[in-house]
Amino acid sequence: EVQAVETGGGLIQPGGSLRLSCAVSGFRVGNNYMSWVRQAPGKGLECVSLIYSDGGTDYVDSVRGRFTISRDDSKYRLFLQMNSLRVEDTAVYYCARVSTRFYIDVWGKGTTVTVSS
Amino acid sequence: QSVLTQPPSVSGAPGQRVTISCTGSSSNIGAGYEVHWYQQLPGTAPRLLIFGDSDRFSGVPDRFSGSKSGTSASLAITGLQAEDEADYYCQSYDSSLSDVVFGGGTTLTVL
Repeated sequence: EVQAVETGGGLIQPGGSLRLSCAVSGFRVGNNYMSWVRQAPGKGLECVSLIYSDGGTDYVDSVRGRFTISRDDSKYRLFLQMNSLRVEDTAVYYCARVSTRFYIDVWGKGTTVTVSS
Repeated sequence: QSVLTQPPSVSGAPGQRVTISCTGSSSNIGAGYEVHWYQQLPGTAPRLLIFGDSDRFSGVPDRFSGSKSGTSASLAITGLQAEDEADYYCQSYDSSLSDVVFGGGTTLTVL
């Protein structure tokens, strides 16, 4: 079965760091485009970061320089290192498989990140 | 402010047809990038409904259909059912942002 399961969310103070992890099954992260998509409370969806099969990465402006996406294909895992967290980073973070046509066909259930003092 | 523009809400009675619009620009939909649609039921992750402008994803009823013209796209739902009540998002790729972009979402209410 193709699936993705996120872990690592939690409550963190502003300025702190968190590392999200996504364990996938049924496919290899290294052979696919993968993304972290977030949804702030009561808001819409936002693609935070994308990693291509060739290892190239993209970030939305609001997280560039603070967040780093990476993968460990041997462990079927995707990661998001989040530093210098801000209140506005509070959201549910979804791990997602992105097709080469840029549609998302696999979504995890999400992990909640709350940045608050 | 989302890159793709959707109406905040639409509504319809059971059995009726509704459409949800998605307007972009020359760097995304107008540049030829495909439009995809997702349904998000309350408290759950989004699920893919339509990909490649008009192709239904596996398991999606044929009551759902997509179309695209110029810098806009639309999702149509016919034969509305109570279970269709959800948030719907359009999505494309933007070449100037080098990023996947979403619409702000549309809440469908079945009256």
